[in-house]
Amino acid sequence: GEDVEQSLFLSVREGDSSVINCTYTDSSSTYLYWYKQEPGAGLQLLTYIFSNMDMKQDQRLTVLLNKKDKHLSLRIADTQTGDSAIYFCAERDPGNTPLVFGKGTRLSVIA
Amino acid sequence: SQTIHQWPATLVQPVGSPLSLECTVEGTSNPNLYWYRQAAGRGLQLLFYSVGIGQISSEVPQNLSASRPQDRQFILSSKKLLLSDSGFYLCAWNLMAAGGEKLFFGSGTQLSVL
Repeated sequence: GEDVEQSLFLSVREGDSSVINCTYTDSSSTYLYWYKQEPGAGLQLLTYIFSNMDMKQDQRLTVLLNKKDKHLSLRIADTQTGDSAIYFCAERDPGNTPLVFGKGTRLSVIA
Repeated sequence: SQTIHQWPATLVQPVGSPLSLECTVEGTSNPNLYWYRQAAGRGLQLLFYSVGIGQISSEVPQNLSASRPQDRQFILSSKKLLLSDSGFYLCAWNLMAAGGEKLFFGSGTQLSVL
């Protein structure tokens, strides 16, 4: 079945850039997503990218997709303490099947 | 606008007791509905999803069941809770639109089975 892998932890200093990486196995993925989960809360959709794109930028967020290597990354510029959260990568295939989520990367921002 | 409500926010239950978690969605019709569980160190695990009233797909064999008695209501149940049922339970619904599918989550229920 499909699999989505992420590193579990990332620690950065406030003001630096954060890069969270994700790899997936399903070559037929149509959309890839980044969700953010703050402590004790549900997940919120941060951004997403269609599989025929290789980059998407939205303010401080940049998503890069390398479809050949099945590698997705989320870059957060000028990381702030409010960015501390768990970030989930997810992918969707063409059928009406649920998203497949990674285990999440816990981002800690040090002031 | 669409909203999703999930309750209760926290729950402490003894082993062997029953469980009922409820989720309702407002402002949309015929959504796909999902129950996820998040246990420490195990990421997000899909438990059940439903594409319509009375239609439930189970992703993992377990002590839990789900029901969808109405279009915008999704219930997670257990007859007898186990210690391993502890976790953070999230309900979600999806919106299909131009630009792909978007999943919206409730605020979660922290279940502790003691």
